[in-house]
Amino acid sequence: DIQMTQSPSSLSASVGDRVTITCRASQNIGTYLNWFQQKPGKAPKLLIYAASSLQSGVPSRFSGSGSGTDFTLTISSLQPEDFATYYCQQSYSTPITFGGGTKVEIK
Amino acid sequence: EVQLVESGGGLIQPGGSLRLSCAASGFTVSSNYMNWVRQAPGKGLEWVSVIYSGDTTFYADSVKGRFTISRDNSKDMVYLQMNSLRAEDTAIYYCARSYRFDPWGQGTLVTVSS
Repeated sequence: DIQMTQSPSSLSASVGDRVTITCRASQNIGTYLNWFQQKPGKAPKLLIYAASSLQSGVPSRFSGSGSGTDFTLTISSLQPEDFATYYCQQSYSTPITFGGGTKVEIK
Repeated sequence: EVQLVESGGGLIQPGGSLRLSCAASGFTVSSNYMNWVRQAPGKGLEWVSVIYSGDTTFYADSVKGRFTISRDNSKDMVYLQMNSLRAEDTAIYYCARSYRFDPWGQGTLVTVSS
Protein backbone atom coordinates (compact mmCIF):
# COMPACT_ATOMS: atom_id res chain seq x y z
CA ASP A 1 0.00 0.00 0.00
CA ILE A 2 1.13 3.57 -0.68
CA GLN A 3 1.56 5.58 2.50
CA MET A 4 0.81 9.31 2.43
CA THR A 5 2.55 11.42 5.05
CA GLN A 6 1.37 14.97 5.61
CA SER A 7 3.16 17.66 7.56
CA PRO A 8 2.58 19.44 9.74
CA SER A 9 -0.36 17.73 11.45
CA SER A 10 -1.52 21.14 12.65
CA LEU A 11 -0.52 24.75 12.33
CA SER A 12 -1.59 28.13 13.63
CA ALA A 13 -1.65 31.05 11.24
CA SER A 14 -3.09 34.52 10.88
CA VAL A 15 -5.34 35.94 8.22
CA GLY A 16 -3.17 37.03 5.32
CA ASP A 17 -0.39 34.54 6.02
CA ARG A 18 1.08 32.30 3.36
CA VAL A 19 0.54 28.67 4.36
CA THR A 20 2.28 25.61 2.97
CA ILE A 21 1.32 21.98 3.63
CA THR A 22 3.44 19.13 2.38
CA CYS A 23 2.54 15.57 1.47
CA ARG A 24 4.98 12.76 0.78
CA ALA A 25 4.11 9.46 -0.91
CA SER A 26 5.95 6.27 -0.05
CA GLN A 27 6.47 5.57 -3.76
CA ASN A 28 6.26 7.38 -7.06
CA ILE A 29 2.66 8.34 -7.83
CA GLY A 30 3.31 10.70 -10.73
CA THR A 31 0.72 13.44 -10.41
CA TYR A 32 -2.12 11.24 -9.12
CA LEU A 33 -2.56 13.48 -6.11
CA ASN A 34 -5.66 15.30 -4.89
CA TRP A 35 -6.10 17.84 -2.10
CA PHE A 36 -9.29 18.25 -0.07
CA GLN A 37 -10.59 20.74 2.47
CA GLN A 38 -12.93 19.64 5.25
CA LYS A 39 -14.74 21.91 7.68
CA PRO A 40 -16.31 20.58 10.91
CA GLY A 41 -19.51 18.66 10.29
CA LYS A 42 -19.16 18.89 6.52
CA ALA A 43 -18.09 16.56 3.75
CA PRO A 44 -14.64 17.02 2.21
CA LYS A 45 -14.39 19.31 -0.79
CA LEU A 46 -11.99 18.88 -3.71
CA LEU A 47 -9.53 21.77 -4.06
CA ILE A 48 -6.76 20.48 -6.33
CA TYR A 49 -6.63 17.44 -8.60
CA ALA A 50 -3.77 15.92 -10.57
CA ALA A 51 -1.35 17.64 -8.19
CA SER A 52 -1.69 21.13 -9.61
CA SER A 53 -5.07 21.60 -11.33
CA LEU A 54 -7.42 23.95 -9.54
CA GLN A 55 -10.96 22.59 -9.24
CA SER A 56 -13.63 24.83 -10.76
CA GLY A 57 -14.96 27.35 -8.28
CA VAL A 58 -12.00 27.12 -5.90
CA PRO A 59 -10.30 30.48 -5.18
CA SER A 60 -7.01 31.08 -6.95
CA ARG A 61 -5.19 31.62 -3.63
CA PHE A 62 -5.05 27.81 -3.46
CA SER A 63 -2.34 26.13 -5.51
CA GLY A 64 -0.71 22.74 -5.70
CA SER A 65 2.64 21.56 -6.94
CA GLY A 66 4.86 18.52 -7.09
CA SER A 67 5.19 15.16 -8.76
CA GLY A 68 6.61 11.77 -7.97
CA THR A 69 6.73 11.58 -4.18
CA ASP A 70 6.71 15.16 -2.91
CA PHE A 71 3.76 17.52 -3.11
CA THR A 72 2.75 20.88 -1.70
CA LEU A 73 -0.50 22.73 -1.12
CA THR A 74 -0.09 26.49 -0.77
CA ILE A 75 -2.60 29.07 0.38
CA SER A 76 -1.14 32.38 -0.73
CA SER A 77 -3.10 34.62 1.64
CA LEU A 78 -5.09 32.83 4.33
CA GLN A 79 -8.71 33.92 4.64
CA PRO A 80 -11.09 33.39 7.60
CA GLU A 81 -13.03 30.76 5.65
CA ASP A 82 -9.86 28.72 5.07
CA PHE A 83 -9.57 27.53 8.66
CA ALA A 84 -10.22 23.82 8.21
CA THR A 85 -8.51 20.45 7.91
CA TYR A 86 -6.72 19.61 4.68
CA TYR A 87 -6.06 16.11 3.32
CA CYS A 88 -3.92 14.84 0.48
CA GLN A 89 -4.88 11.64 -1.31
CA GLN A 90 -3.24 9.41 -3.88
CA SER A 91 -5.40 7.97 -6.65
CA TYR A 92 -2.52 6.17 -8.39
CA SER A 93 -3.45 2.70 -7.17
CA THR A 94 -5.82 0.86 -4.87
CA PRO A 95 -6.07 0.91 -1.98
CA ILE A 96 -6.52 4.64 -2.39
CA THR A 97 -4.94 6.31 0.60
CA PHE A 98 -5.21 9.66 2.37
CA GLY A 99 -2.74 11.62 4.38
CA GLY A 100 -3.44 12.04 8.07
CA GLY A 101 -4.66 15.61 7.66
CA THR A 102 -3.42 19.08 8.54
CA LYS A 103 -5.58 21.21 10.80
CA VAL A 104 -5.20 24.91 10.08
CA GLU A 105 -6.15 26.99 13.12
CA ILE A 106 -6.39 30.66 13.89
CA LYS A 107 -3.38 32.19 15.63
CA GLU B 1 -26.45 20.23 -10.57
CA VAL B 2 -24.25 17.24 -9.80
CA GLN B 3 -25.23 15.85 -6.42
CA LEU B 4 -24.90 12.76 -4.25
CA VAL B 5 -27.18 11.88 -1.34
CA GLU B 6 -26.44 8.99 1.01
CA SER B 7 -28.97 7.19 3.18
CA GLY B 8 -29.38 3.99 5.17
CA GLY B 9 -27.19 4.64 8.19
CA GLY B 10 -28.24 3.97 11.75
CA LEU B 11 -27.53 2.08 14.95
CA ILE B 12 -26.78 -1.60 14.48
CA GLN B 13 -25.54 -4.32 16.80
CA PRO B 14 -22.15 -5.97 16.25
CA GLY B 15 -22.46 -8.79 13.75
CA GLY B 16 -25.42 -7.16 12.05
CA SER B 17 -25.92 -5.99 8.47
CA LEU B 18 -26.80 -2.69 6.88
CA ARG B 19 -27.15 -1.45 3.31
CA LEU B 20 -26.17 2.10 2.47
CA SER B 21 -27.49 3.87 -0.60
CA CYS B 22 -26.07 6.73 -2.62
CA ALA B 23 -28.43 8.53 -5.00
CA ALA B 24 -26.82 10.41 -7.85
CA SER B 25 -28.32 13.31 -9.77
CA GLY B 26 -26.94 15.44 -12.57
CA PHE B 27 -24.86 12.59 -14.02
CA THR B 28 -25.07 8.88 -14.73
CA VAL B 29 -23.33 6.43 -12.41
CA SER B 30 -22.84 3.96 -15.26
CA SER B 31 -20.17 6.14 -16.87
CA ASN B 32 -18.30 7.04 -13.69
CA TYR B 33 -16.43 5.18 -11.10
CA MET B 34 -17.92 5.57 -7.68
CA ASN B 35 -16.26 5.40 -4.28
CA TRP B 36 -17.22 4.92 -0.65
CA VAL B 37 -15.08 6.65 1.98
CA ARG B 38 -15.59 6.62 5.74
CA GLN B 39 -14.55 8.76 8.65
CA ALA B 40 -14.59 7.45 12.20
CA PRO B 41 -15.51 10.01 14.89
CA GLY B 42 -12.69 12.53 15.28
CA LYS B 43 -10.47 10.65 12.82
CA GLY B 44 -9.21 11.05 9.27
CA LEU B 45 -10.55 9.78 5.97
CA GLU B 46 -10.41 6.10 5.02
CA TRP B 47 -11.19 4.85 1.54
CA VAL B 48 -13.51 1.83 1.65
CA SER B 49 -14.38 0.68 -1.86
CA VAL B 50 -14.67 1.59 -5.54
CA ILE B 51 -16.75 0.30 -8.44
CA TYR B 52 -15.49 1.06 -11.94
CA SER B 53 -17.68 1.66 -14.98
CA GLY B 54 -16.97 -1.91 -16.10
CA ASP B 55 -18.18 -3.24 -12.73
CA THR B 56 -14.72 -4.10 -11.45
CA THR B 57 -14.61 -3.59 -7.71
CA PHE B 58 -11.90 -3.09 -5.10
CA TYR B 59 -11.99 -2.96 -1.32
CA ALA B 60 -9.87 -1.85 1.59
CA ASP B 61 -8.38 -4.80 3.45
CA SER B 62 -10.32 -3.77 6.57
CA VAL B 63 -13.68 -4.50 4.87
CA LYS B 64 -12.78 -7.14 2.27
CA GLY B 65 -15.06 -10.15 2.48
CA ARG B 66 -17.62 -8.26 4.59
CA PHE B 67 -18.66 -5.31 2.42
CA THR B 68 -19.98 -5.37 -1.16
CA ILE B 69 -20.31 -2.39 -3.47
CA SER B 70 -22.84 -2.44 -6.29
CA ARG B 71 -24.88 -0.11 -8.44
CA ASP B 72 -28.18 0.13 -10.25
CA ASN B 73 -27.61 2.08 -13.45
CA SER B 74 -31.34 2.36 -14.16
CA LYS B 75 -31.82 4.24 -10.89
CA ASP B 76 -28.45 6.02 -10.76
CA MET B 77 -27.86 4.46 -7.36
CA VAL B 78 -24.77 3.02 -5.71
CA TYR B 79 -24.96 0.71 -2.71
CA LEU B 80 -22.71 -0.57 0.03
CA GLN B 81 -23.85 -3.81 1.63
CA MET B 82 -22.16 -4.14 4.99
CA ASN B 83 -22.21 -7.50 6.79
CA SER B 84 -20.60 -8.78 9.99
CA LEU B 85 -20.35 -5.25 11.29
CA ARG B 86 -17.83 -4.45 14.01
CA ALA B 87 -17.47 -1.57 16.46
CA GLU B 88 -14.56 -0.27 14.40
CA ASP B 89 -16.88 0.19 11.41
CA THR B 90 -18.58 3.05 13.26
CA ALA B 91 -18.15 6.10 11.03
CA ILE B 92 -19.75 8.57 8.70
CA TYR B 93 -19.89 6.96 5.27
CA TYR B 94 -19.60 9.14 2.20
CA CYS B 95 -19.94 8.35 -1.48
CA ALA B 96 -17.84 10.31 -3.96
CA ARG B 97 -17.61 10.37 -7.74
CA SER B 98 -14.65 9.46 -9.95
CA TYR B 99 -10.89 9.52 -9.47
CA ARG B 100 -11.20 13.18 -8.48
CA PHE B 101 -13.58 12.31 -5.62
CA ASP B 102 -15.88 15.14 -6.61
CA PRO B 103 -18.51 15.74 -5.46
CA TRP B 104 -19.10 14.04 -2.10
CA GLY B 105 -22.45 13.40 -0.52
CA GLN B 106 -23.34 14.75 2.90
CA GLY B 107 -22.62 11.38 4.53
CA THR B 108 -24.63 8.91 6.57
CA LEU B 109 -23.70 7.85 10.10
CA VAL B 110 -23.30 4.18 10.95
CA THR B 111 -22.99 3.31 14.63
CA VAL B 112 -22.13 -0.28 15.56
CA SER B 113 -22.83 -0.82 19.23
CA SER B 114 -24.71 -3.16 21.55
